[in-house]
Amino acid sequence: EAQVTQNPRYLITVTGKKLTVTCSQNMNHEYMSWYRQDPGLGLRQIYYSMNVEVTDKGDVPEGYKVSRKEKRNFPLILESPSPNQTSLYFCASSLWAGTLSGANVLTFGAGSRLTVL
Amino acid sequence: KNEVEQSPQNLTAQEGEFITINCSYSVGISALHWLQQHPGGGIVSLFMLSSGKKKHGRLIATINIQEKHSSLHITASHPRDSAVYICAVSSLGGATNKLIFGTGTLLAVQP
Repeated sequence: EAQVTQNPRYLITVTGKKLTVTCSQNMNHEYMSWYRQDPGLGLRQIYYSMNVEVTDKGDVPEGYKVSRKEKRNFPLILESPSPNQTSLYFCASSLWAGTLSGANVLTFGAGSRLTVL
Repeated sequence: KNEVEQSPQNLTAQEGEFITINCSYSVGISALHWLQQHPGGGIVSLFMLSSGKKKHGRLIATINIQEKHSSLHITASHPRDSAVYICAVSSLGGATNKLIFGTGTLLAVQP
């Protein structure tokens, strides 16, 4: 089944304890991206990647790191989590970055709910 | 002012009604996305369009590039259509896949 898989789905952690949220897709998509969703603010883009070894900042990159060493994986790293990073996180991918093809539709993961105490 | 504005923010409809959700944007775009998010659930992409109109089942999405406006229509609405509908635009320029989101429209369809 074509899908985007995020792990963990739920995590409670403490301030300063490094954590990684993994994202993997099995559709050979070039484009991958991370978003956070907060009440009243909606979805905001954290980082995105147009292909392997190509990443760029979204609107709210502070406090996050990403890497794209393989096409299928795009982990989100919180080096020193803080309570303001408590949020619902979504990873998404699409087939072909930068074109207007109708196939360039986003597929989202199920979401990861992170709480930082 | 947000770069992507949706209206209405909340919408309650009776089953069977025709529903319209609007999205206006103020930036140049390469594409516009309509997304659906059920309560407590994940996000599903409904449409990606850059011009004209697309139809999938009871859902229709239109876009007017000159007016910087898009609409999502639901015909013969059903309680299972109850969800948050989110408009997002891929901005023009060096980052064609940098997405800007509206804050969503919460739709409740009552039986």
